[in-house]
Amino acid sequence: DAKTTQPTSMDCAEGRAANLPCNHSTISGNEYVYWYRQIHSQGPQYIIHGLKNNETNEMASLIITEDRKSSTLILPHATLRDTAVYYCIVRATGTASKLTFGTGTRLQVTL
Amino acid sequence: GAGVSQSPSNKVTEKGKDVELRCDPISGHTALYWYRQRLGQGLEFLIYFQGNSAPDKSGLPSDRFSAERTGESVSTLTIQRTQQEDSAVYLCASGRTGATEAFFGQGTRLTVV
Repeated sequence: DAKTTQPTSMDCAEGRAANLPCNHSTISGNEYVYWYRQIHSQGPQYIIHGLKNNETNEMASLIITEDRKSSTLILPHATLRDTAVYYCIVRATGTASKLTFGTGTRLQVTL
Repeated sequence: GAGVSQSPSNKVTEKGKDVELRCDPISGHTALYWYRQRLGQGLEFLIYFQGNSAPDKSGLPSDRFSAERTGESVSTLTIQRTQQEDSAVYLCASGRTGATEAFFGQGTRLTVV
Protein backbone atom coordinates (compact mmCIF):
# COMPACT_ATOMS: atom_id res chain seq x y z
CA ASP A 1 0.00 0.00 0.00
CA ALA A 2 1.20 3.51 -0.78
CA LYS A 3 2.16 5.73 2.11
CA THR A 4 0.30 8.88 3.06
CA THR A 5 1.37 12.08 4.78
CA GLN A 6 -1.01 14.10 6.94
CA PRO A 7 -0.56 17.01 9.35
CA THR A 8 -0.37 15.88 12.94
CA SER A 9 -3.11 18.17 14.17
CA MET A 10 -5.58 20.85 13.09
CA ASP A 11 -8.10 23.13 14.74
CA CYS A 12 -11.44 24.23 13.35
CA ALA A 13 -14.15 26.50 14.71
CA GLU A 14 -17.56 24.94 15.09
CA GLY A 15 -19.79 25.66 12.10
CA ARG A 16 -16.87 26.28 9.78
CA ALA A 17 -15.61 23.91 7.11
CA ALA A 18 -12.79 21.61 8.14
CA ASN A 19 -10.37 20.86 5.29
CA LEU A 20 -8.05 17.96 6.03
CA PRO A 21 -5.21 17.44 3.53
CA CYS A 22 -3.44 14.23 2.61
CA ASN A 23 -0.45 13.62 0.37
CA HIS A 24 -0.12 10.28 -1.41
CA SER A 25 2.42 10.98 -4.12
CA THR A 26 3.26 7.30 -4.73
CA ILE A 27 -0.33 6.16 -5.24
CA SER A 28 -0.81 3.53 -7.94
CA GLY A 29 -3.46 3.55 -10.65
CA ASN A 30 -5.54 0.85 -8.96
CA GLU A 31 -5.42 2.34 -5.48
CA TYR A 32 -8.33 4.18 -3.92
CA VAL A 33 -8.17 6.92 -1.30
CA TYR A 34 -10.12 6.12 1.87
CA TRP A 35 -10.87 8.24 4.89
CA TYR A 36 -11.71 6.93 8.34
CA ARG A 37 -12.00 8.67 11.66
CA GLN A 38 -11.66 7.55 15.24
CA ILE A 39 -13.53 9.37 17.94
CA HIS A 40 -12.02 8.96 21.38
CA SER A 41 -12.56 5.50 22.90
CA GLN A 42 -14.40 4.19 19.85
CA GLY A 43 -13.47 1.98 16.92
CA PRO A 44 -12.63 3.70 13.62
CA GLN A 45 -15.53 4.74 11.40
CA TYR A 46 -15.52 4.78 7.61
CA ILE A 47 -16.20 8.21 6.10
CA ILE A 48 -15.72 8.19 2.34
CA HIS A 49 -13.54 6.86 -0.47
CA GLY A 50 -12.71 7.72 -4.08
CA LEU A 51 -10.54 6.80 -7.04
CA LYS A 52 -10.15 9.93 -9.14
CA ASN A 53 -13.46 11.77 -9.16
CA ASN A 54 -14.62 13.97 -6.34
CA GLU A 55 -17.08 12.26 -4.03
CA THR A 56 -19.72 13.49 -1.60
CA ASN A 57 -21.89 11.73 0.92
CA GLU A 58 -23.87 12.69 3.99
CA MET A 59 -20.74 12.95 6.10
CA ALA A 60 -18.17 14.67 3.94
CA SER A 61 -16.73 15.54 0.54
CA LEU A 62 -13.53 14.16 -0.93
CA ILE A 63 -11.55 16.23 -3.41
CA ILE A 64 -8.78 14.38 -5.28
CA THR A 65 -6.30 16.29 -7.41
CA GLU A 66 -6.10 15.49 -11.09
CA ASP A 67 -2.70 13.84 -10.70
CA ARG A 68 -4.11 11.91 -7.70
CA LYS A 69 -1.04 12.75 -5.62
CA SER A 70 -3.07 14.48 -2.93
CA SER A 71 -6.59 14.80 -1.62
CA THR A 72 -8.65 16.84 0.83
CA LEU A 73 -11.43 15.69 3.09
CA ILE A 74 -13.99 18.41 3.70
CA LEU A 75 -16.41 18.46 6.61
CA PRO A 76 -18.67 21.31 5.47
CA HIS A 77 -20.00 22.40 8.87
CA ALA A 78 -17.85 20.98 11.63
CA THR A 79 -19.42 20.28 15.00
CA LEU A 80 -17.89 19.40 18.35
CA ARG A 81 -18.80 15.77 17.65
CA ASP A 82 -16.41 15.81 14.68
CA THR A 83 -13.44 16.07 17.03
CA ALA A 84 -11.47 12.91 16.21
CA VAL A 85 -8.36 11.50 14.57
CA TYR A 86 -8.82 11.36 10.80
CA TYR A 87 -6.94 8.76 8.79
CA CYS A 88 -6.20 8.94 5.08
CA ILE A 89 -5.42 5.52 3.59
CA VAL A 90 -4.66 4.31 0.09
CA ARG A 91 -5.51 0.77 -0.80
CA ALA A 92 -6.21 -1.37 -3.84
CA THR A 93 -9.72 -2.80 -3.77
CA GLY A 94 -10.59 -6.32 -4.79
CA THR A 95 -7.26 -7.72 -3.74
CA ALA A 96 -5.98 -9.36 -0.63
CA SER A 97 -4.44 -6.10 0.53
CA LYS A 98 -4.66 -5.21 4.17
CA LEU A 99 -5.99 -1.92 5.49
CA THR A 100 -3.08 -0.03 7.05
CA PHE A 101 -3.56 3.03 9.24
CA GLY A 102 -0.97 5.78 9.58
CA THR A 103 -0.79 8.34 12.35
CA GLY A 104 -3.65 10.51 11.07
CA THR A 105 -4.64 14.11 11.80
CA ARG A 106 -6.07 15.00 15.15
CA LEU A 107 -8.89 17.47 14.44
CA GLN A 108 -10.03 19.60 17.35
CA VAL A 109 -13.31 21.45 16.77
CA THR A 110 -13.71 24.38 19.13
CA LEU A 111 -16.53 26.72 20.10
CA GLY B 1 -28.55 -5.56 11.35
CA ALA B 2 -25.97 -6.20 14.04
CA GLY B 3 -22.54 -4.73 13.71
CA VAL B 4 -19.19 -6.30 14.53
CA SER B 5 -19.31 -7.74 18.02
CA GLN B 6 -16.27 -8.32 20.19
CA SER B 7 -16.03 -10.10 23.49
CA PRO B 8 -15.14 -9.64 26.20
CA SER B 9 -15.24 -5.86 26.23
CA ASN B 10 -12.68 -5.81 29.03
CA LYS B 11 -10.21 -8.43 30.15
CA VAL B 12 -7.73 -8.30 33.00
CA THR B 13 -5.25 -11.12 33.09
CA GLU B 14 -2.12 -12.01 34.97
CA LYS B 15 1.24 -11.95 33.25
CA GLY B 16 2.03 -15.34 31.77
CA LYS B 17 -1.58 -16.41 31.27
CA ASP B 18 -3.13 -17.13 27.88
CA VAL B 19 -6.11 -15.11 26.63
CA GLU B 20 -8.61 -15.55 23.83
CA LEU B 21 -10.40 -12.63 22.26
CA ARG B 22 -13.46 -13.18 20.11
CA CYS B 23 -14.81 -11.35 17.09
CA ASP B 24 -18.21 -11.91 15.48
CA PRO B 25 -18.15 -10.18 12.09
CA ILE B 26 -21.14 -8.85 10.21
CA SER B 27 -22.95 -11.71 8.47
CA GLY B 28 -21.76 -12.23 4.92
CA HIS B 29 -18.51 -10.34 5.36
CA THR B 30 -15.59 -12.37 4.07
CA ALA B 31 -12.84 -9.94 5.08
CA LEU B 32 -11.84 -9.76 8.73
CA TYR B 33 -9.05 -7.73 10.34
CA TRP B 34 -7.45 -7.59 13.76
CA TYR B 35 -5.63 -4.50 15.04
CA ARG B 36 -3.95 -3.51 18.27
CA GLN B 37 -4.05 0.00 19.70
CA ARG B 38 -1.89 0.85 22.65
CA LEU B 39 -2.87 3.81 24.82
CA GLY B 40 -2.44 7.07 22.94
CA GLN B 41 -1.08 5.37 19.83
CA GLY B 42 -2.32 4.49 16.36
CA LEU B 43 -3.79 1.27 15.01
CA GLU B 44 -1.26 -1.49 14.52
CA PHE B 45 -2.25 -4.10 11.94
CA LEU B 46 -2.07 -7.68 13.19
CA ILE B 47 -3.74 -10.08 10.76
CA TYR B 48 -6.15 -10.09 7.80
CA PHE B 49 -8.45 -12.90 6.67
CA GLN B 50 -10.01 -12.76 3.20
CA GLY B 51 -12.32 -15.60 2.29
CA ASN B 52 -10.49 -18.86 1.68
CA SER B 53 -7.18 -17.18 0.92
CA ALA B 54 -4.23 -17.69 3.22
CA PRO B 55 -4.39 -15.02 5.93
CA ASP B 56 -1.94 -12.13 5.93
CA LYS B 57 -0.16 -12.64 9.24
CA SER B 58 2.56 -10.10 8.59
CA GLY B 59 1.55 -7.89 11.52
CA LEU B 60 1.64 -10.47 14.29
CA PRO B 61 4.37 -9.22 16.66
CA SER B 62 5.57 -12.59 17.91
CA ASP B 63 4.79 -16.29 17.88
CA ARG B 64 2.81 -15.78 21.08
CA PHE B 65 0.09 -14.28 18.91
CA SER B 66 -2.17 -16.38 16.68
CA ALA B 67 -5.58 -16.04 15.14
CA GLU B 68 -8.09 -18.38 13.60
CA ARG B 69 -11.22 -17.94 11.61
CA THR B 70 -13.78 -20.61 10.79
CA GLY B 71 -15.10 -19.99 7.30
CA GLU B 72 -16.73 -16.61 7.15
CA SER B 73 -17.75 -16.54 10.77
CA VAL B 74 -16.20 -16.05 14.16
CA SER B 75 -12.52 -15.28 14.64
CA THR B 76 -10.46 -15.71 17.77
CA LEU B 77 -7.20 -13.96 18.57
CA THR B 78 -5.08 -15.87 21.05
CA ILE B 79 -2.21 -14.41 23.02
CA GLN B 80 -0.10 -16.92 24.87
CA ARG B 81 2.05 -16.17 27.91
CA THR B 82 0.81 -12.59 28.05
CA GLN B 83 3.25 -9.78 28.85
CA GLN B 84 2.56 -6.32 30.18
CA GLU B 85 3.36 -4.80 26.80
CA ASP B 86 0.40 -6.73 25.37
CA SER B 87 -1.91 -4.37 27.26
CA ALA B 88 -3.94 -2.55 24.61
CA VAL B 89 -7.31 -2.33 22.93
CA TYR B 90 -7.70 -5.09 20.35
CA LEU B 91 -9.99 -4.07 17.51
CA CYS B 92 -11.67 -6.30 14.97
CA ALA B 93 -13.19 -5.16 11.69
CA SER B 94 -15.04 -6.89 8.86
CA GLY B 95 -15.90 -6.03 5.27
CA ARG B 96 -17.46 -7.51 2.13
CA THR B 97 -15.34 -9.21 -0.51
CA GLY B 98 -13.33 -6.58 -2.32
CA ALA B 99 -15.22 -4.17 -0.15
CA THR B 100 -14.43 -0.59 0.44
CA GLU B 101 -15.58 -0.02 3.99
CA ALA B 102 -14.38 -1.93 7.01
CA PHE B 103 -16.74 -1.88 9.96
CA PHE B 104 -15.11 -1.90 13.35
CA GLY B 105 -16.20 -3.36 16.64
CA GLN B 106 -15.82 -1.50 19.91
CA GLY B 107 -12.75 -3.49 20.82
CA THR B 108 -11.53 -5.56 23.74
CA ARG B 109 -9.48 -3.70 26.32
CA LEU B 110 -6.80 -6.09 27.57
CA THR B 111 -4.89 -5.29 30.72
CA VAL B 112 -2.01 -7.53 31.75
CA VAL B 113 -1.06 -7.13 35.40
